[in-house]
Amino acid sequence: RKEVEQDPGPFNVPEGATVAFNCTYSNSASQSFFWYRQDCRKEPKLLMSVYSSGNEDGRFTAQLNRASQYISLLIRDSKLSDSATYLCVVNPPAGTALIFGKGTTLSVSS
Amino acid sequence: EPEVTQTPSHQVTQMGQEVILRCVPISNHLYFYWYRQILGQKVEFLVSFYNNEISEKSEIFDDQFSVERPDGSNFTLKIRSTKLEDSAMYFCASSEEDTQYFGPGTRLTVL
Repeated sequence: RKEVEQDPGPFNVPEGATVAFNCTYSNSASQSFFWYRQDCRKEPKLLMSVYSSGNEDGRFTAQLNRASQYISLLIRDSKLSDSATYLCVVNPPAGTALIFGKGTTLSVSS
Repeated sequence: EPEVTQTPSHQVTQMGQEVILRCVPISNHLYFYWYRQILGQKVEFLVSFYNNEISEKSEIFDDQFSVERPDGSNFTLKIRSTKLEDSAMYFCASSEEDTQYFGPGTRLTVL
């Protein structure tokens, strides 16, 4: 089983749409969870950390379900500038390495 | 806003040659990392470094690879004898605690 699995993409949505990405992880003892975004041929950039209580940053909402080993990201009112690949990232226990999912590509069109 | 910087942005080398990729982490960060991303694939962890020694490494990080912090600001990745399959983007990252910030990457092309 892959360590971090994400929705297959791409997601093609119009401006203003709401879109949700899902992710599952295999190590139940994982400690930290993140969403990064990556533009084409650029570095991953931290979008937000994900906390058990759920957290929101403007149009972005992240949820974590430890029992199901499931992480989600909701983007409301999509903008053209949201077009990117969204990476689900997990930090396993007692380790420093980040484990990346393969990413889900979002394309927002006008 | 402080950021991680990397040089060069693109390195082309012949198979079998040694390359050194350079990084300047964010100044107050204590943890440093190297990752790579082969075109079209996911980002993969190579190595982490703390307190002047390797704290964790992956299976990819074999004897061909080494890391060094030669002074108070630079963090380098050396590949001793490059192979075609080493062609990838190499990202340096640094962190204060668990949130890692990535540099813009070096695109390594091995011919």
